Amino acid sequence: SQKIEQNSEALNIQEGKTATLTCNYTNYSPAYLQWYRQDPGRGPVFLLLIRENEKEKRKERLKVTFDTTLKQSLFHITASQPADSATYLCALREGGGADGLTFGKGTHLIIQP
Amino acid sequence: DSGVTQTPKHLITATGQRVTLRCSPRSGDLSVYWYQQSLDQGLQFLIQYYNGEERAKGNILERFSAQQFPDLHSELNLSSLELGDSALYFCASSVGGSGYGSGNTIYFGEGSWLTVV
Repeated sequence: SQKIEQNSEALNIQEGKTATLTCNYTNYSPAYLQWYRQDPGRGPVFLLLIRENEKEKRKERLKVTFDTTLKQSLFHITASQPADSATYLCALREGGGADGLTFGKGTHLIIQP
Repeated sequence: DSGVTQTPKHLITATGQRVTLRCSPRSGDLSVYWYQQSLDQGLQFLIQYYNGEERAKGNILERFSAQQFPDLHSELNLSSLELGDSALYFCASSVGGSGYGSGNTIYFGEGSWLTVV
């Protein structure tokens, strides 16, 4: 069955350091992968999309890599700030003709001052 | 603000009851999605509508149903409610129907908190 795995344990990072989050998937052949941020009690917010033919994508302090051989995406936040503390979700497109996304359970990131 | 509007924001109801959640998508978006989020299950895809027609079903229970109206707003109906239905229900929208490789970004509303007591 299709599965998306993210580290369920909270990730504690000191302010100013780089935070790296991992997303692994099985039984998907995604054309792209997306990352979302979710704050408690709020809806997920789109951050970045990376396509299968792209190795790396950057947006300000964010960087995403995509390795379709390893079936893995890494999400980096450089120069992390306490305001970056949130849950980060990776998502792949649903199968079966849907346009929607299947989400991982997310990794809770805590940036400590 | 994502542009997706959901009502009500909070709802408390008793077991066995029926509720309706409402969603207005972003202007111009044809697809509406419903997701359920509970602490242990994460975000679960329930159903998608595209321009008034059901496009895909996920883990939606038979007690739940949805529809999308000609003005593109959508409603999610939850009936015979059980304690386990307590969750945050998100509506999301996108342009949709844009093909597998085009990178369909989904915009989420702020959710409707449902508590079944």
